[in-house]
Amino acid sequence: AQSVTQLGSHVSVSEGALVLLRCNYSSSVPPYLFWYVQYPNQGLQLLLKYTSAATLVKGINGFEAEFKKSETSFHLTKPSAHMRDAAEYFCAVSVGDTGGFKTIFGAGTRLFVKA
Amino acid sequence: NAGVTQTPKFQVLKTGQSMTLQCAQDMNHNSMYWYRQDPGMGLRLIYYSASEGTTDKGEVPNGYNVSRLNKREFSLRLESAAPSQTSVYFCASNLRSHSGNTIYFGEGSWLTVV
Repeated sequence: AQSVTQLGSHVSVSEGALVLLRCNYSSSVPPYLFWYVQYPNQGLQLLLKYTSAATLVKGINGFEAEFKKSETSFHLTKPSAHMRDAAEYFCAVSVGDTGGFKTIFGAGTRLFVKA
Repeated sequence: NAGVTQTPKFQVLKTGQSMTLQCAQDMNHNSMYWYRQDPGMGLRLIYYSASEGTTDKGEVPNGYNVSRLNKREFSLRLESAAPSQTSVYFCASNLRSHSGNTIYFGEGSWLTVV
């Protein structure tokens, strides 16, 4: 069975600093991996997704994530944080099977950006 | 582009009352979902509908029922609300229940049961 672990429920960075949000997954078959972002009082929206085409995935707003099979990780990074990046970020893993849908979300990491 | 629209946005219920959360999508998606979001627990799937005419239980279905009214609409009903159902509820959809498809979310419904 697949699972997702996000390390750190809260991460705080200074504006302009590197953002690193950690995600590890468990899956018995090659997974699809996603990062979603949730701004206050809004639903989740897709930031980026890995579908096996390339291990380094670029998303919106300057974020990117690298799929590392050997480490079962899909960490999210951004070189320089901006105030508008303050939000909650969710990693998700999805595996297709004959039963159809199965996507599991991590518990989320709230990113704080200090001026 | 409306995307996924859910109503109401806020609701306060007394224990034992019933209510229905409405959801509609205008993206011609086949699959629709209801999640609940609780602090520290991420999103948990309540029910989903892989296609019109079908519904299936997710991770936390107890205390809920759903209806896939047509391709556009998927409602969630609480028959007898309990304080444990205080949560933020999200409706979502995607093209089909295939693992690579992006899920699109509504803006959420904040439900408090007192």
